[in-house]
Amino acid sequence: DQQVKQNSPSLSVQEGRISILNCDYTNSMFDYFLWYKKYPAEGPTFLISISSIKDKNEDGRFTVFLNKSAKHLSLHIVPSQPGDSAVYFCAASYTSGTYKYIFGTGTRLKVLA
Amino acid sequence: SQTIHQWPATLVQPVGSPLSLECTVEGTSNPNLYWYRQAAGRGLQLLFYSVGIGQISSEVPQNLSASRPQDRQFILSSKKLLLSDSGFYLCAWRQRTGILGTEAFFGQGTRLTVV
Repeated sequence: DQQVKQNSPSLSVQEGRISILNCDYTNSMFDYFLWYKKYPAEGPTFLISISSIKDKNEDGRFTVFLNKSAKHLSLHIVPSQPGDSAVYFCAASYTSGTYKYIFGTGTRLKVLA
Repeated sequence: SQTIHQWPATLVQPVGSPLSLECTVEGTSNPNLYWYRQAAGRGLQLLFYSVGIGQISSEVPQNLSASRPQDRQFILSSKKLLLSDSGFYLCAWRQRTGILGTEAFFGQGTRLTVV
């Protein structure tokens, strides 16, 4: 049972435009959400996170939005740059108990110059 | 600052051979530790996590096992590798603090090919 889903395996965006990556989750007990960026043959690097008590968190070009009623989060990258081309994973976690991170299947973003 | 070391970077092993992947974390104490696997074209699957020495939780039934002999050391093992064990293995750690919600940090990964 996939508790965290990224339904778009790939996305292409023109340089300078907005990239929007989506993620859905099924477990309402998740209360902390994260986005990671991954290049081939490297470990994922942390980008941005959001607690379930918020609906938006912004860090430079990256903004994460959380819609708890829809169990949906999204990552906005504005403006998109060629160096943003990578695989993006969303993850969900609990802030108490097991502290597990459950990851989605990833979305490959290609930013076209 | 904290760092995580994972080795080897690549490994080619025959079917039926044993496996030992090691991960160590520096600059922190009592971290939570995790092993993930990324199979070809798939997401990151949580294999094991540990909240302390000797404490291992397994997420999926499989041919692998994990151990935590020291506070900042996490080992992934197998007695006999299968072809299906091929993949990209990632170790991660999370600082244990009173702050609600923190991120996990990943090592550089080990590419395992079972032939």
